[in-house]
Amino acid sequence: DAEITQSPRHKITETGRQVTLACHQTWNHNNMFWYRQDLGHGLRLIHYSYGVQDTNKGEVSDGYSVSRSNTEDLPLTLESAASSQTSVYFCASSNRGRTDTQYFGPGTRLTVL
Amino acid sequence: GENVEQHPSTLSVQEGDSAVIKCTYSDSASNYFPWYKQELGKGPQLIIDIRSNVGEKKDQRIAVTLNKTAKHFSLHITETQPEDSAVYFCAARGTNTGGFKTIFGAGTRLFVKA
Repeated sequence: DAEITQSPRHKITETGRQVTLACHQTWNHNNMFWYRQDLGHGLRLIHYSYGVQDTNKGEVSDGYSVSRSNTEDLPLTLESAASSQTSVYFCASSNRGRTDTQYFGPGTRLTVL
Repeated sequence: GENVEQHPSTLSVQEGDSAVIKCTYSDSASNYFPWYKQELGKGPQLIIDIRSNVGEKKDQRIAVTLNKTAKHFSLHITETQPEDSAVYFCAARGTNTGGFKTIFGAGTRLFVKA
């Protein structure tokens, strides 16, 4: 079955280190998204992509970057991790032109010490 | 910018009772309103959605209503069961938000007491 996966599921890192969170989907969806989830804030959009080589900033993009070299993957990089980036990160994908439904991955819990 | 407000933040009901979660949105161009259920340790899962050309949609025990004039939409769960306990998110997507970006509410934690 098609699916969306994230790795790692849990990550502990130190302030200042570079961290990359992986997202992989097998639905062949054009659109991919990264959100962070913090208590009281719901889901906030970090970056999104409408296709290969396309990336766009969301509402909380500072300190994060993404790249889209193929349809299946949208890795999220924290260039220099900060304690404020401790959060749960969700990747999602949707298929433009057919449905607006976003399908979410299981999440990555990141702790920055 | 665009905003979605969701109430209540916490809701506790007795098994068998109904639960109602309400959301308001600010972008009058919003045309798609999904609802997600998130269980502990998992990603949000779509449970029902409604488009702006429809006022109400029902799927077994859950229903969603939309009032475009007032910019309100609500989730109704009838005959609640303990397995309905989860966090529920409403969301709105509009053409003015740059295509496929979806704005989420802050979530409602629903407790169903057996």
